[in-house]
Amino acid sequence: DSGVTQTPKHLITATGQRVTLRCSPRSGDLSVYWYQQSLDQGLQFLIHYYNGEERAKGNILERFSAQQFPDLHSELNLSSLELGDSALYFCASSVGGWGSEKLFFGSGTQLSVL
Amino acid sequence: GENVEQHPSTLSVQEGDSAVIKCTYSDSASNYFPWYKQELGKGPQLIIDIRSNVGEKKDQRIAVTLNKTAKHFSLHITETQPEDSAVYFCAASSSTSYGKLTFGQGTILTVHP
Repeated sequence: DSGVTQTPKHLITATGQRVTLRCSPRSGDLSVYWYQQSLDQGLQFLIHYYNGEERAKGNILERFSAQQFPDLHSELNLSSLELGDSALYFCASSVGGWGSEKLFFGSGTQLSVL
Repeated sequence: GENVEQHPSTLSVQEGDSAVIKCTYSDSASNYFPWYKQELGKGPQLIIDIRSNVGEKKDQRIAVTLNKTAKHFSLHITETQPEDSAVYFCAASSSTSYGKLTFGQGTILTVHP
């Protein structure tokens, strides 16, 4: 167990809908990262928050947004969902946020858009 | 940006054999190279990592080597066991990447009893 908690484990929804994925980092970690895993794209970095502030953005669609709350948990919001958004979404956390450090991943949320 | 290439995409070995997975990276600023193991239905699990000021690191049956000049790093698993069967990912990041990891495409390792 990495100590990173993600909910829900599975999410099934329809095209056009909006969903929220939740992540609680390991105790003491200030950074939260979101990654998307699909068969064709592999593990792709989406966004990084450090202590409530956005630190870096990757290949995140404009329909997607995230935030990190004062208690350090994070939410990833996906809207106007398309079939191609079906993927595994992982959250990871680390102590700091400056790079070159260990990231610990949660068990993921499997999103299925029908 | 950084690009990480990983080979082979699949690897099949007999129990007790060694397994080697290789990665190359493109960004000379990368200085942190972790390896993750992902089992079915689970998230990536950090198994070993190496920093650019070290050429080799070992943890029991697992070792990682780094050649900065060639921008290569490799994972070596000795005395493989069936429970080593999983997908293995290499990754790279730099001090200026704010923790962003760039992953290789993964290697499916199968260890036959």
